[in-house]
Amino acid sequence: SQKIEQNSEALNIQEGKTATLTCNYTNYSPAYLQWYRQDPGRGPVFLLLIRENEKEKRKERLKVTFDTTLKQSLFHITASQPADSATYLCALGYRAGNNRKLIWGLGTSLAVNP
Amino acid sequence: KAGVTQTPRYLIKTRGQQVTLSCSPISGHRSVSWYQQTPGQGLQFLFEYFSETQRNKGNFPGRFSGRQFSNSRSEMNVSTLELGDSALYLCASSVGGSNQAFFGQGTRLTVV
Repeated sequence: SQKIEQNSEALNIQEGKTATLTCNYTNYSPAYLQWYRQDPGRGPVFLLLIRENEKEKRKERLKVTFDTTLKQSLFHITASQPADSATYLCALGYRAGNNRKLIWGLGTSLAVNP
Repeated sequence: KAGVTQTPRYLIKTRGQQVTLSCSPISGHRSVSWYQQTPGQGLQFLFEYFSETQRNKGNFPGRFSGRQFSNSRSEMNVSTLELGDSALYLCASSVGGSNQAFFGQGTRLTVV
């Protein structure tokens, strides 16, 4: 069956440490993968997109890796801050015949403690 | 540039009623997608509209429908509401469709 999974348990880390979130998928032909941040009661906010032929993407304190062999993306926040506390969603863009579709993970809740 | 605007923000309806939610995309964005978000199921794709045409549709019953107007504004309608329709309904707009999406704050629908 086709599915996309993120760490189901909340992640608690100390301020200043690196947070690493995981997104795994099965049985998709990926075109790209996106990471979003969602705060309570708000819509998701786009953070980064990485394409199937890219290994790594960086933006300020954020780094995303994409391993199509392992069928996994890792999302890193370095020098984490309490303001980084939120739910992080991954979304996989994949090919379905002649169409492109998007499937979302359930999200991982991150809490950064001061 | 104004962001994606969804109205209303909160709504309480009774089972059996119908509801219409509205979404105004970012100016210049012609693609609008609708999602249902619940704690157990996450973000579930409802449908996507581009230039007034439904381009993609998720696996939701026919009670869920939508449309897009010539100014790219979109509405979604849910008829014969059920308790299970209680969720956060999110609208997202984009320039071309499947890549970076800009979300509104959502409409929290509660069916009692």
